[in-house]
Amino acid sequence: QITLKESGPTLVKPTQTLTLTCTFSGFSLSGTGVGVAWLRQPPGKALEWLTLIYWDDDKWYNPSLKGRLTIASDTSRNQVLLTVTNVGPEDSATYYCAHRHSVTSRPVRAFAIWGPGTTVTVS
Amino acid sequence: DIVMTQSPLSLPVTPGEPASISCRSSQSLLDSNGYTYLDWYLQKPGQSPQLLIYFVSYRASGVPDRFSGSGSGTDFTLKISRVEAEDAGVYYCMQGRQAPYTFGQGTKLEIK
Repeated sequence: QITLKESGPTLVKPTQTLTLTCTFSGFSLSGTGVGVAWLRQPPGKALEWLTLIYWDDDKWYNPSLKGRLTIASDTSRNQVLLTVTNVGPEDSATYYCAHRHSVTSRPVRAFAIWGPGTTVTVS
Repeated sequence: DIVMTQSPLSLPVTPGEPASISCRSSQSLLDSNGYTYLDWYLQKPGQSPQLLIYFVSYRASGVPDRFSGSGSGTDFTLKISRVEAEDAGVYYCMQGRQAPYTFGQGTKLEIK
């Protein structure tokens, strides 16, 4: 059974750096086709995709965050880290990590499994 | 970026009645590999989103068959044949055709 869980600070001051951790089980990030993404949802607003890391360490970022994001994996700890620099009130949101598994015969890009989310307030 | 537009944004439905949500993309979601990258998610109150449909019409594991997806190119529809109380929440379409992956604004389905 695949599970993911987000953790990190609930309150961050403006201009600080936010670091969140996604701890997962039930799969290995070194498995071919596996990816873990970070998404977020400001209060009362729609979902926003932020970044994605693949099993081969390929990384994709949402350019709207203007280079403030960094994603990294620690396969030995089954964790994926998200760093957001120079945070502002607009970064207040519930942050989710999610699992994707895409193979040649079934090149899925949907996020099938999500964590429960962690809420961050910038103030 | 590909812009996703959903309608309606609010959808009150009586249990047992059908429901339909539309999603339009600003560009075709048909990839060069032949797959169309349109997903549907449901976010129930207080919960994280759950995948309902991928590749336009493929139901995710455990999703009841009253949910169906259709469409092609830039126009897509999610249909619920007979709405149940547990279907309440916000429905989002998402395009996986190209990064940055983008979502629609969400459609809030309310049970009358």
